Amino acid sequence: AQTVTQSQPEMSVQEAETVTLSCTYDTSESDYYLFWYKQPPSRQMILVIRQEAYKQQNATENRFSVNFQKAAKSFSLKISDSQLGDAAMYFCAYRRGSQGNLIFGKGTKLSVKP
Amino acid sequence: NAGVMQNPRHLVRRRGQEARLRCSPMKGHSHVYWYRQLPEEGLKFMVYLQKENIIDESGMPKERFSAEFPKEGPSILRIQQVVRGDSAAYFCASSPRTGTGELFFGEGSRLTVL
Repeated sequence: AQTVTQSQPEMSVQEAETVTLSCTYDTSESDYYLFWYKQPPSRQMILVIRQEAYKQQNATENRFSVNFQKAAKSFSLKISDSQLGDAAMYFCAYRRGSQGNLIFGKGTKLSVKP
Repeated sequence: NAGVMQNPRHLVRRRGQEARLRCSPMKGHSHVYWYRQLPEEGLKFMVYLQKENIIDESGMPKERFSAEFPKEGPSILRIQQVVRGDSAAYFCASSPRTGTGELFFGEGSRLTVL
């Protein structure tokens, strides 16, 4: 069975600084997607970034980028120039293929200090 | 284009009553997923449905819980004879038949059992 592990229950970053959130996963599949979702206090799940496993290039979305290490089954999220609005729970998620359910990690609570 | 719509946003039930949560997927999406989030935890998969079919219900409790996605109308998650442990946020997500792999989430329904 596939599993997703986030080993950092909480992280803190100073405004304008950079922070990296860790995620590892376990799968025997070759075709899959990885995601980072953000859940602010409003509880809405917001997609931050997506990575297809077959793509070697790391995905980037503005201040958000990933370090995808397929052999190591690692998928970390880097947030640059952190802003107060980045404070939220961040969930790493795995999806086998383009259908089927998402499997989530337990999340990392990110605090941003002014 | 309206997003995934869930209602009610908040529902209060007494032990033994029934709870019905509704989810209308995004326009053009034929796949619906239900997730449960307990306080301070990640999202746990419950069930994956397509129109008139349950595709994967491996995360559904065997008793008291059921889900449907009829040909017409929203998907419904039904919890019979609710207990205090059912108190949680229930999220619905949808996806198209083919696409970029991501799920689009509603704002969730918070169930409180007194």
